[in-house]
Amino acid sequence: GENVEQHPSTLSVQEGDSAVIKCTYSDSASNYFPWYKQELGKGPQLIIDIRSNVGEKKDQRIAVTLNKTAKHFSLHITETQPEDSAVYFCAASQAAGNKLTFGGGTRVLVKP
Amino acid sequence: NAGVTQTPKFQVLKTGQSMTLQCAQDMNHNSMYWYRQDPGMGLRLIYYSASEGTTDKGEVPNGYNVSRLNKREFSLRLESAAPSQTSVYFCASSLDQGRSTQYFGPGTRLTVL
Repeated sequence: GENVEQHPSTLSVQEGDSAVIKCTYSDSASNYFPWYKQELGKGPQLIIDIRSNVGEKKDQRIAVTLNKTAKHFSLHITETQPEDSAVYFCAASQAAGNKLTFGGGTRVLVKP
Repeated sequence: NAGVTQTPKFQVLKTGQSMTLQCAQDMNHNSMYWYRQDPGMGLRLIYYSASEGTTDKGEVPNGYNVSRLNKREFSLRLESAAPSQTSVYFCASSLDQGRSTQYFGPGTRLTVL
């Protein structure tokens, strides 16, 4: 089955700096890669996703890049703000079945 | 729209007790899922229901059973709780089992003593 590894497990950045989280996956058939943000005491919420026919996608201060050859994808947050502090999860799935496999999560702390 | 709701929010059980976690969605989604979240391990799929009337095992189904009561509701049952089932449980739903967004509920924090 699919295996998703996520690094780093914790990330501390100064407000205004950029944050980068990286994930690798094992199943070359995976072609859907969502990113979720989980705030304390809440369920995960989708913030951005990318499909295998696209190499990069941006939404305001967040962007995701995908390298299918190397089987890795990354989340980039620019101009970080205190409200970006949360746990972020990457995930991967195949088109058929849509069973998401999650990475272990990255706890991001943005220091004012 | 309330989205995905879960009850209860917190629960403490003794080893061997049983309980059912309830989940409901009001988004007319076809697919529903149960995950558990443990520190450092992300979310792991327990069971899922691709559509009303069907259920399938996920990555960690042992010790659990599910019921897709109708299109809105998907329950998770622990017949004989064990300390290893101490976790935070999340229910999610999606429009279909294709590559559509999964929406998560607020979670149930379960402690088994």
